[in-house]
Amino acid sequence: DVKVTQSSRYLVKRTGEKVFLECVQDMDHENMFWYRQDPGLGLRLIYFSYDVKMKEKGDIPEGYSVSREKKERFSLILESASTNQTSMYLCASSTPVGRINSEQYFGPGTRLTVT
Amino acid sequence: QKEVEQNSGPLSVPEGAIASLNCTYSDRVSQSFFWYRQYSGKSPELIMSIYSNGDKEDGRFTAQLNKASQYVSLLIRDSQPSDSATYLCAVNMRGSQGNLIFGKGTKLSVKP
Repeated sequence: DVKVTQSSRYLVKRTGEKVFLECVQDMDHENMFWYRQDPGLGLRLIYFSYDVKMKEKGDIPEGYSVSREKKERFSLILESASTNQTSMYLCASSTPVGRINSEQYFGPGTRLTVT
Repeated sequence: QKEVEQNSGPLSVPEGAIASLNCTYSDRVSQSFFWYRQYSGKSPELIMSIYSNGDKEDGRFTAQLNKASQYVSLLIRDSQPSDSATYLCAVNMRGSQGNLIFGKGTKLSVKP
């Protein structure tokens, strides 16, 4: 069964803190993604990775970085959290880029509040 | 600009009726199309994928794809209150490096 897990369901951090969000998938997927979701704005892609140690910017990478040291794990880092980064963060994984049926599977999400 | 458009709703249908959710996309050569269901406060859950023109049925769900009209739809037969959720349409477009472009979703409400 498909499984993507995220390290926390709810997180509260203070402005300026460094925040780590972890995502692990057990499907041996090459691709992994980080999105944020805000009311009225839909899902927005922050970063994605198509291989270990590879990363590509998505639509809104500013203020974020990522790390992928192992195939199954993809981390999102907020270097200095700000209140406008309060959001639902969703991790997803999929089969490789270029395959026609590249279905993405999502983790449960982390609701981050920055105060 | 690669876009996926959905009516935000809310779409309200009575229990037992057919709910029809629609999605249009901007890139004519898109290859893969997906429907996700998202309950309030939860993450999106993949419910249907379709790659060829025509209909694809899975239980009470039918996905319909018309590439010439750049249109994909989801029909939910015998709608249940438990189907009340936001439905996201996603498209794998040319040049998107395999990433999905998501619509903003249609909120469905099924009234008992």
